[in-house]
Amino acid sequence: DQQVKQNSPSLSVQEGRISILNCDYTNSMFDYFLWYKKYPAEGPTFLISISSIKDKNEDGRFTVFLNKSAKHLSLHIVPSQPGDSAVYFCAAAAWGSSNTGKLIFGQGTTLQVKP
Amino acid sequence: EAGVAQSPRYKIIEKRQSVAFWCNPISGHATLYWYQQILGQGPKLLIQFQNNGVVDDSQLPKDRFSAERLKGVDSTLKIQPAKLEDSAVYLCASSPDSSNYGYTFGSGTRLTVV
Repeated sequence: DQQVKQNSPSLSVQEGRISILNCDYTNSMFDYFLWYKKYPAEGPTFLISISSIKDKNEDGRFTVFLNKSAKHLSLHIVPSQPGDSAVYFCAAAAWGSSNTGKLIFGQGTTLQVKP
Repeated sequence: EAGVAQSPRYKIIEKRQSVAFWCNPISGHATLYWYQQILGQGPKLLIQFQNNGVVDDSQLPKDRFSAERLKGVDSTLKIQPAKLEDSAVYLCASSPDSSNYGYTFGSGTRLTVV
C-alpha cells in the first residue's frame, strides 16, 4: 500500500527554467510534508517542509504547494540550476495524531537540469 | 557540527551470512532512526529509538533483524541470516527529538547479498 506516490520517475529541464516535481498521498491523517534531496552516494538532505495549515511555503528558489482537497503537493524550483540535479523524495508524517517522527517516503523523482 | 557517521560504506555478503552496521548520530540528538532503501524505492523506516528506548519497530523483520542503542548514543543494526531481498542501502538518521522531522541522514551502508 503506497501511501505516498511520486508518479514521475524522472524529469529533465533546461537550466534557468522551472522544475515542478509532484507528489500524491492517500492517508488523510498526514498533516506535515517534506521534500528531501539526494545526491549519489550520499544520504537524503532535508530541503523544505509544509504544514497542512498552510498551502504554500517558500525558501529561496524552492517553493512547496499543498492542495489538501486533492491530497497533492508539488515542489517548484525556479530558476533550475545544474547543481539541482539529484533525486527528490517527497515524505509525509501524521504529526498531529502520532508525532513520533516517522516519515513515509515516495519513490523519488530524478531531476536532471541541463546546462 | 559533525554529521551522522555510518560504517561500513559498502558490504557484500553471501545469503545466510550475518552482517552488522554501525551508526553514530549527531551529538546530543535523542532520536535515532534506521531506514532501509531498496533500489527504486523510497526509504522505509525499520526502527526508531528515543534515547535508548524503542519507539517504533513495527516494520522491522524481527526474525532476522535486530538493533540496539546502548547508552542512548551510537547504534548497531544486525541482520542474521541475510536474504537476497535484504540488498539495499541502510540509512541512519538522527534528530534532536521526535517532533523534529527534518532530520539528518548519514551516507548509508550499501549491502549486497549474493
